[in-house]
Parts: sequence; C-alpha cells; structure tokens
Amino acid sequence: EAQVTQNPRYLITVTGKKLTVTCSQNMNHEYMSWYRQDPGLGLRQIYYSMNVEVTDKGDVPEGYKVSRKEKRNFPLILESPSPNQTSLYFCASLSNYGYTFGSGTRLTVV
Amino acid sequence: GEDVEQSLFLSVREGDSSVINCTYTDSSSTYLYWYKQEPGAGLQLLTYIFSNMDMKQDQRLTVLLNKKDKHLSLRIADTQTGDSAIYFCAESIGGGKLIFGQGTELSVKP
Repeated sequence: EAQVTQNPRYLITVTGKKLTVTCSQNMNHEYMSWYRQDPGLGLRQIYYSMNVEVTDKGDVPEGYKVSRKEKRNFPLILESPSPNQTSLYFCASLSNYGYTFGSGTRLTVV
Repeated sequence: GEDVEQSLFLSVREGDSSVINCTYTDSSSTYLYWYKQEPGAGLQLLTYIFSNMDMKQDQRLTVLLNKKDKHLSLRIADTQTGDSAIYFCAESIGGGKLIFGQGTELSVKP
C-alpha cells in the first residue's frame, strides 16, 4: 500500500531537548515536504526537498532542520524545541496528482 | 504574497447539498486541490482541478473554478454524516509548493 509513515504520532517533550520526527514514503517520490498545522492558520510549509541531498526552506523554517540522505526518508529535526513549536506536523510526498500525507505527529513542548 | 481564504465553518442537514467556497490570489496556479481531514487523521486528497478547466464532477463531488474571480468551490451532493470533517482548499504555485486555506469545518446534522 502506498503510504507516508510518520513517527511518533504523539510526543510531549521539554524545552531545549533535541528531537527528531521521522518520515518515510514507499512511492519513490522525489519531492517531499513538512507542514505544520495550527488552528485558524491552515497548513504552513516548513521545509521541502526536491530530491536526495536537495532541501530548501518553506514559509516557516525557523527552529527546524531537515535532511534527505536517501529518497524514502525525510526526517524533521528540532535542535532546541520551544513552546511555540507545539503543533500538529505533517509529512507529505508529491506525485503527479497531488500530495500524499502522513497521519500526523502531535507535538507538545512544555 | 500568495493567499488562500476559506470560511471557517459550515453546518448542513443530512441529505442537503454542501457548498464550500475558497478564494485564492495567485493567478499562475496550475492545479487547485480539495483535501479532507477527519478527526485525528492526516489529509486525504478528495479531488483536484486543472487551472484550464471550469468544472469537474466525481460522483457526489462537483468542483467549480472561476479563474476570473479566482474562486473555487466544492459541492457535496446528498451530504452524509460521514462527510463531517475539515475541508482544505489548496493551490499549487509551482515547484511542488502548495498554499493551503485555513480549512472549513463541515458539520452535518441528522
């Protein structure tokens, strides 16, 4: 089954403790992206990657890092999380017919 | 900059038609999308329309595009309680980037 898998689904962490949210897709898509969803703001793009070793900033990249060492994986890294990064995060990969989204990671930073 | 606007809430009775509206600003959009988000889930692609089309019908779903007014709508015929969800409009502005609206929460009452 074609899918985008994110882990973990839920995470509560403390300010400043580095964390990684993993994302993997099995569709051999070149383009992948990370979004955050906040009430009343819709989805905003954090980072995207057009292929292996090619990444670029989206609209809200501050406080985040990504890497794309292989085509299937696109982890999101928060080096020093802060409470304003509490949000619902989605990884997505792009085909000719639009994005396939993962199920989301709900992150709470206290 | 690019912007996509939707009303936040819509309430209908089961069996009625629902119409969710969206306006966008980027006239160079190539594709426009409708996504559905059920509680606790990721975004599911419902349908999309090419920017050179006026209408697309897919079973109970009808998408209308007015390029002159930059207005997109999604009509759901015979709305069911299972259609209750948040619906996101999104425009593709090139380079794989999607701009999302804030989402319209559809509530279907029996």
